[in-house]
Amino acid sequence: GAGVSQSPRYKVAKRGQDVALRCDPISGHVSLFWYQQALGQGPEFLTYFQNEAQLDKSGLPSDRFFAERPEGSVSTLKIQRTQQEDSAVYLCASSLVSGRLYEQYFGPGTRLTVT
Amino acid sequence: AQSVAQPEDQVNVAEGNPLTVKCTYSVSGNPYLFWYVQYPNRGLQFLLKYITGDNLVKGSYGFEAEFNKSQTSFHLKKPSALVSDSALYFCAVSPGGPGKSTFGDGTTLTVKP
Repeated sequence: GAGVSQSPRYKVAKRGQDVALRCDPISGHVSLFWYQQALGQGPEFLTYFQNEAQLDKSGLPSDRFFAERPEGSVSTLKIQRTQQEDSAVYLCASSLVSGRLYEQYFGPGTRLTVT
Repeated sequence: AQSVAQPEDQVNVAEGNPLTVKCTYSVSGNPYLFWYVQYPNRGLQFLLKYITGDNLVKGSYGFEAEFNKSQTSFHLKKPSALVSDSALYFCAVSPGGPGKSTFGDGTTLTVKP
């Protein structure tokens, strides 16, 4: 079946612009995660949804970052007033059930470059 | 706070030789440990996990990992490396409640023919 998809794959934004990154999880997956991956580093947790509920947003670096999953499927990560330090690959992952026991399935990521 | 360390940025092995990619962790409570692989221009792919039970876990593509509680390690192993195993490998721990995983910084594995 189809895996996790993300769009756009690449995004260039000028400093100060707002961006929206989309994630389509695997159909039926309850949990959805967003990570930020800087060059040469592992993914850093941003936020987590169980269905439409955002259960953990402790990793969001500032109030310029906002995520939603209004119908419990597609999710959008929005970054307002982008800064150069926001340049990274943003990864979305989904898993079949909630909880820490189950592996996550990752999308290809969106590479954001802020100029 | 939990953490994961992958002490080697790069591991080089010859095709056909055994390989080991190291991972150590620090967490309170019982650890739930994962290995993922990332190929160029592709998303992370799940390889294997340890939840409980047998300390030797078998996963995809012939990989296995050994959980060692006393050494707080979860090293990834394969008896005979393939050139196609060349990729970036991440260890992750998930102790801190539903969903939140902490990843290491990755180890680049290069298998030479």
